[in-house]
Amino acid sequence: AAGVIQSPRHLIKEKRETATLKCYPIPRHDTVYWYQQGPGQDPQFLISFYEKMQSDKGSIPDRFSAQQFSDYHSELNMSSLELGDSALYFCASSPPPSGGSQETQYFGPGTRLLVL
Amino acid sequence: AQSVTQLGSHVSVSEGALVLLRCNYSSSVPPYLFWYVQYPNQGLQLLLKYTTGATLVKGINGFEAEFKKSETSFHLTKPSAHMSDAAEYFCAVSGSQGGKLIFGQGTELSVKP
Repeated sequence: AAGVIQSPRHLIKEKRETATLKCYPIPRHDTVYWYQQGPGQDPQFLISFYEKMQSDKGSIPDRFSAQQFSDYHSELNMSSLELGDSALYFCASSPPPSGGSQETQYFGPGTRLLVL
Repeated sequence: AQSVTQLGSHVSVSEGALVLLRCNYSSSVPPYLFWYVQYPNQGLQLLLKYTTGATLVKGINGFEAEFKKSETSFHLTKPSAHMSDAAEYFCAVSGSQGGKLIFGQGTELSVKP
């Protein structure tokens, strides 16, 4: 079965640089979530999109922005990177209400970002 | 507001022994509860979930969990641990109808031969 795809899987950046993380949800899933997992920590919710509109916002820095495109893929844009942004970034998708199990989020493998 | 507390950041069991990972939640709305497993350098895989109905839910790999509203708990159990169960386990809560997941701090399970 198709899973959530994230790219790149690994990314190394310098401080103050920018990064773009991409997420391709499971086909026919219309909701995308972004989470940040710091070293040894639990995942923290950043932001979510439903039908290309922002549906919820968590502890996402103002330096970060995200959007969902017409094909439902999503991109997380991170600017002025700081050392503390080094983390594993997960994307998850869930199906529409008509598809059942809308509450279930399916996670991608994550993008590991290292800021030097 | 919602929160999750996992008791014990690290649990160690012998192969074949009972696995019990504890999770307590706080929620102002009827909760949906989840257990995810994370193997090293991998993503989160859903083990099981509770939404409504039967309070004892069965998941993959022989795991099960029981929703106890009176105790605000959703502990994860497995009768007999296997070496391949060694991983990080996260309990999570969301409101009804889905939405963002609030995770607990995670419990690292070690399985000794």
